[in-house]
This record gives sequence, C-alpha cells and structure tokens, in this order.
Amino acid sequence: KNQVEQSPQSLIILEGKNCTLQCNYTVSPFSNLRWYKQDTGRGPVSLTIMTFSENTKSNGRYTATLDADTKQSSLHITASQLSDSASYICVVSAGGGNKLTFGTGTQLKVEL
Amino acid sequence: EAQVTQNPRYLITVTGKKLTVTCSQNMNHEYMSWYRQDPGLGLRQIYYSMNVEVTDKGDVPEGYKVSRKEKRNFPLILESPSPNQTSLYFCASSWAGSRETQYFGPGTRLLVL
Repeated sequence: KNQVEQSPQSLIILEGKNCTLQCNYTVSPFSNLRWYKQDTGRGPVSLTIMTFSENTKSNGRYTATLDADTKQSSLHITASQLSDSASYICVVSAGGGNKLTFGTGTQLKVEL
Repeated sequence: EAQVTQNPRYLITVTGKKLTVTCSQNMNHEYMSWYRQDPGLGLRQIYYSMNVEVTDKGDVPEGYKVSRKEKRNFPLILESPSPNQTSLYFCASSWAGSRETQYFGPGTRLLVL
C-alpha cells in the first residue's frame, strides 16, 4: 500500500528562524513528489514539484530536496514569516501521475 | 481570474438524501479530481477525470459518483449520504501530465446527520 509519512506532526518556531520538514514515502512506481501549503480553511497551494531526476527545487524561501534512493524528501523554510503559519503537505504520485497519495501534513506555527 | 469554484461551500443534510456538489474550472484543464480531508487522515482522492467522459476511481470511491460531461465541470454526487461522509471536500484541476500543478477549489464542508 502506498504511504506518505511526515514529521514532525507540528512545529512552533520564532519568526526569522529556519526550519526543515520531513517526508518519507513508500510509493511505487514513483512519478513525482509535491509539497503543498494549506492555510486554515483553504485549499492547498502548490510549492514545488520534483521528479525522480531532480534532487532540489526552490520557490522563494522554500527549498525542497528529494532522495529517491532513500525515498525521503525535505522542505526547508528560510527566514520564516508569520504568514508561513500553515499546514505543509507532502504528496507523492505513482504510475502515470494521476493517483496521488497525501501525507497528513506538518502544522507549522510561526510566532513573534 | 483563473479559478476553481465549488458549490455549496457549506452543507448540512440528513442520511439518505441525495446531494450534488458542483465543481467548475475556467482554465480549460483536462484533469480534474475530488478529494476529502479528514482530521488525522489527510487528503484522500475519491475520483479523478483525465478528460470529458473519462473518469477513474481514487483511493476512497465508495458511496460517491462523478460525471464529466463537459470539460469545465466535474460534479460529485452522493446518492445516499451517510454520517461517515461528513468531511471537507476539495475539487482540483490541472493540465494533463504528471508534472502539472493542481489548483484546488476553496472546499465544501459537508455535515451528514
């Protein structure tokens, strides 16, 4: 069964600090891995998409890494802002990419 | 403005009363999909559609139906809702292709009594 596990479940950091979120997956055959940001009460918004051959992808202060050998990904947030407070969801697609498996997310809170 | 819209946004109904949640996108996307989101379980795919008249099951299709008669619309039908279908539902769309970004709607919060 395809699975995506994220850690930590929740995280509180001070504004301006960096943080790293983790994602481990057991999805086969792997197509791509995505990170989404979901604000409370809203739909997820895409941050990055990486295929097997890509090991780093950046989107502003967000940098995602992928190790396809160990089936791990991380999302690094630099110089956090209050607006970064949200749930960050790791999503892995299998086969042709149409069936997606979602992690349960990491709830990030950035405080003053 | 490019967007995915869902209606209604909030719905309270009773067990067994058929309902439809509409989803519409104005980006001419081929791919559309429905998800449900439950606390502790994350988002789970219900059904998806690669194009008009082409639909397929996701991970949790039981109790749901979909149709794709037009490219822009992808309604989710609950023929006989049950309390375990109480959830937050999201529709999403994208261009065809496994690397395309999915755009999510605002969500529909459903309560089945």
